Amino acid sequence: NAGVTQTPKFQVLKTGQSMTLQCAQDMNHEYMSWYRQDPGMGLRLIHYSVGAGITDQGEVPNGYNVSRSTTEDFPLRLLSAAPSQTSVYFCASNPGGAGNTEAFFGQGTRLTVV
Amino acid sequence: GIQVEQSPPDLILQEGANSTLRCNFSDSVNNLQWFHQNPWGQLINLFYIPSGTKQNGRLSATTVATERYSLLYISSSQTTDSGVYFCAGPKSNTGKLIFGQGTTLQVKP
Repeated sequence: NAGVTQTPKFQVLKTGQSMTLQCAQDMNHEYMSWYRQDPGMGLRLIHYSVGAGITDQGEVPNGYNVSRSTTEDFPLRLLSAAPSQTSVYFCASNPGGAGNTEAFFGQGTRLTVV
Repeated sequence: GIQVEQSPPDLILQEGANSTLRCNFSDSVNNLQWFHQNPWGQLINLFYIPSGTKQNGRLSATTVATERYSLLYISSSQTTDSGVYFCAGPKSNTGKLIFGQGTTLQVKP
C-alpha cells in the first residue's frame, strides 16, 4: 500500500524560482491538505481540499497555490520562491465526512530556498 | 484560545522508564490522533482514538472526550522512542487538522 506519496523528498531553489510539490494518495480519500513545519512551530496548514475541484486556504496560504483536479492528486505550487519558504512540507489525506477522520501523511519534502 | 495543548513540552527519560504525555483539546476539535515524528522527520500514525483506550505493544492511549483530554502512555521506553509526539484533531468535522506543539522525548541509553 503506497498511502500518501510526496515528491521530491529534497529540493533546493533559488529565490524567485517556481516549482510544484507533488502529492498523490491511493486511498480514495476526499480530504487532502498541505502543511509546513518550521523549527519550534509545529505543523501549520497551508491549503486544503474537501474534494476534487474544491480548495480553500489554511493558516499560512500566502505564496502558495493549489488545485485539485482529481481525487488522487493535490499539487502545491510555489510561484516565486522566497527564503521564508524554507521548510519541511507535508501532505496529508483523510476520508473526510463525519465518520472516520484518521489522517495519513506523506514522508515530507525538505525545501531550501537560497 | 489554544485548541490543542500538549504537555510536557520536553521529556528526558532513562531507557526502561515509563511516561505519560497529555493532550488537552477544545470543544471545536475532535477525533484525536497521536503521531510520532522520528528523528528522520517521518510522521508515524500511533493511534486514532476519538474515545476509549487502545494499546499497541508498549504504547497505549486513552481519550476521555467528555473531559477533552487524551493521554499517551509509553512503557519500558527504548532509545528508538525518541522524537516528537504530536496529538491532533480535525476542527469541527473538516479536514483541517489542528496540531499541538508536540512533546519532545529523549530516551537515554
